[in-house]
Amino acid sequence: GENVEQHPSTLSVQEGDSAVIKCTYSDSASNYFPWYKQELGKRPQLIIDIRSNVGEKKDQRIAVTLNKTAKHFSLHITETQPEDSAVYFCAASPGWGKLQFGAGTQVVVTP
Amino acid sequence: KAGVTQTPRYLIKTRGQQVTLSCSPISGHRSVSWYQQTPGQGLQFLFEYFSETQRNKGNFPGRFSGRQFSNSRSEMNVSTLELGDSALYLCASSLGDRNNEQFFGPGTRLTVL
Repeated sequence: GENVEQHPSTLSVQEGDSAVIKCTYSDSASNYFPWYKQELGKRPQLIIDIRSNVGEKKDQRIAVTLNKTAKHFSLHITETQPEDSAVYFCAASPGWGKLQFGAGTQVVVTP
Repeated sequence: KAGVTQTPRYLIKTRGQQVTLSCSPISGHRSVSWYQQTPGQGLQFLFEYFSETQRNKGNFPGRFSGRQFSNSRSEMNVSTLELGDSALYLCASSLGDRNNEQFFGPGTRLTVL
């Protein structure tokens, strides 16, 4: 089955710096790759996603890149702010209604 | 549109009991997926229902089951509860195509004593 690996597990950045989280997946049938942000005690919220016919997608300070050949995708957050502090999950969709999640990255943005 | 809702938000049960959790999807969404979230195992897929049919299933024992009603609301049931079933149970709804966005509910926090 699909296996998604996510690195790093924790990431500390200074406010204003960039943060990068990387994920790899194993199932070449996966065509959809969302990223979720989960704040403490809250539900996961979709922040950006990318489909396999696109190599890069950007939404304000957030961007995602996908390399289907290498089976990896990355989340880039620029100009980080304290409110970006949260756990971020990458996921791949290997089948109907199923998301296979990475283990998560705890991002801490210090002022 | 109203978001995904889940009831109850919190549950405390004892070992051996059974529990039923409910999920109401976003209006117009026909797919409901269920996930278990624990500190040790992260977010794990349980199963997905679309038009009242289970379309996909994760690697959980048969004690975990679900169903979906004609209005797309879904329930999941856990029988013979074990201590290890303590977790946050999240449901997510989507339109139902394979690459549609999934929107999560607030979750049900289950504690098994």
